[in-house]
Formats: sequence, structure tokens, C-alpha cells
Amino acid sequence: NAGVTQTPKFRVLKTGQSMTLLCAQDMNHEYMYWYRQDPGMGLRLIHYSVGEGTTAKGEVPDGYNVSRLKKQNFLLGLESAAPSQTSVYFCASSNPGELFFGEGSRLTVL
Amino acid sequence: GQQVMQIPQYQHVQEGEDFTTYCNSSTTLSNIQWYKQRPGGHPVFLIQLVKSGEVKKQKRLTFQFGEAKKNSSLHITATQTTDVGTYFCAGLVPSGTYKYIFGTGTRLKVLA
Repeated sequence: NAGVTQTPKFRVLKTGQSMTLLCAQDMNHEYMYWYRQDPGMGLRLIHYSVGEGTTAKGEVPDGYNVSRLKKQNFLLGLESAAPSQTSVYFCASSNPGELFFGEGSRLTVL
Repeated sequence: GQQVMQIPQYQHVQEGEDFTTYCNSSTTLSNIQWYKQRPGGHPVFLIQLVKSGEVKKQKRLTFQFGEAKKNSSLHITATQTTDVGTYFCAGLVPSGTYKYIFGTGTRLKVLA
């Protein structure tokens, strides 16, 4: 099993550009999460989903949108990237309980 | 809003010394989990504590959940170089939404 797969792993954007991060899990988990990790600030919850077709805001949702059209996929979108969104993004899934994380996506916004 | 703080932020120890990290939540938690993240890696689940006052052990690691379910600790006995990494607690907010809020993490360095 692949577990949780994030694409892309690295991306450099210019301010104002848009992009989508894809998270795919093959464990049939109901719950999926997007976190961002910045030095000294731990992991902060951006958005999460408790099932297909549902999404909810986390601690730092501004500037991001998400969609969960299929149970196995959770997409994180940046409509107009800003330098403050430079970070490492982690997707996780659970059923519930233990969170299984992807390997992360490093995003740099210039 | 919900906050989970961890102390210390950094800890350097000599190999063989003990290490403890503390996690404090601003509100009562349904449960608490602990994760380890190696440098350059992703967080990996260690354990989940659910009951008030619960203590669990995994070899050299001892985990505690406070009586009020607002704090927790992870203690490592006789650290080894393989213990290097950042340790995070993650508290489950009691709202029925399975929203986990992570602590700020403690970065452990072990000097051989």
C-alpha cells in the first residue's frame, strides 16, 4: 500500500499564481487533513474533511480552499499565492485515531 | 481559540541522559496523541492516550495524560542517537469533528 501520497513534492510559485496540491490515500479513511509546518510553529491545521463531500475550516484557513469530491482525494488550492504561504504542507488521513501523514510538499512563493 | 503549547522548544542532551517534553492545552481534550518527526521526514504516530491520568510505556518512552485532560508529557529514559527528532503532541478537540490541534513541538538533539 502507498498510504498517503502528496503531489507535487516541491513547487516554486510567483506571487499571485494559483496552484493545487493533491493528497491521495488508499486506506479508505473517512477523515483527511491539511496542515502547514513552519519553523517554531509546529503543525497548524488549515482545513479538514470528515467524509466525502464535506470540508471544514481549521486554525489557519484564510487564502486556501479545499475539495473532497472523492473519498480518497483531498485537494488544497491556493487561488492567489502570497510569500506568507511559503511552507511545508502535510496531508494526513485517519479512520479516526492515528493520523497517517504524507511525505510533505514544500512550497516556495517568491 | 484552542491552543496547545509544548515546552521546551529545544533540548540538547548527552547520550544516556533522560529527556522530558511537556504539552499543555488551553482547554480540556478528548484524547491526546504523540508523534515523532525525524529531520526531513513526516510525523509518525507514537501513541494515543484517552483516559484521565493514563500512563503508557513503550520501551524507554513513558507517556502521561493529566488528570484534568489538559496536559501530557513524554519522558525518554537513557536517550540514544536514534531518538533525535521533533516530538509533537496533538490534542483532539471535544467537538465531535475529529479536529486534531498540534503542539509547537520539542526538537531533541542527542550528543554522542
